[in-house]
Amino acid sequence: NAGVTQTPKFRILKIGQSMTLQCAQDMNHNYMYWYRQDPGMGLKLIYYSVGAGITDKGEVPNGYNVSRSTTEDFPLRLELAAPSQTSVYFCASLSGGGFEQFFGPGTRLTVL
Amino acid sequence: KNEVEQSPQNLTAQEGEFITINCSYSVGISALHWLQQHPGGGIVSLFMLSSGKKKHGRLIATINIQEKHSSLHITASHPRDSAVYICAFYNNNDMRFGAGTRLTVKP
Repeated sequence: NAGVTQTPKFRILKIGQSMTLQCAQDMNHNYMYWYRQDPGMGLKLIYYSVGAGITDKGEVPNGYNVSRSTTEDFPLRLELAAPSQTSVYFCASLSGGGFEQFFGPGTRLTVL
Repeated sequence: KNEVEQSPQNLTAQEGEFITINCSYSVGISALHWLQQHPGGGIVSLFMLSSGKKKHGRLIATINIQEKHSSLHITASHPRDSAVYICAFYNNNDMRFGAGTRLTVKP
């Protein structure tokens, strides 16, 4: 199993540009999450999904959108990128029963 | 006030020392997770606890639901244990994270 994969690993955006961060998992997990981690800060939940077709906002959803058309994929869309969105983004999935979270390797995004 | 507080923020130990990292939370929870973030940034799940105590190798995690407190212990610490340790609670599909404890173990 590849686990949770994320692309790209690094990206630099200009203010106002848009992009999609890709996340995929091959463990058939229903629960998936997007987090951001700012330097020296804890992870914050952006959006989550409890299954295909179902998404909901987390703690810091403004400026982002998600979709979940399949169990495997959970892309995160940034519209009109702002410097405040400079961060490391992690995607994760949760095993059945919530026993273990599996994290992707992260995407380091810089908005200039 | 953060919903999840960890202490200490930074911890330096000599190889072989017994390490304790503490986590306090302010709301009722379904489960508490301990995570390890490697110096390269990757995050792995260490434990999920809803009660009592769990052990995996040299790592032990405990939780006291009534006191809203959890601890992560590392016995016979080793330089490869150097990482950031993060506690997080999982409640009603939401995850909240502590800021992490940066552990450095010197040889």
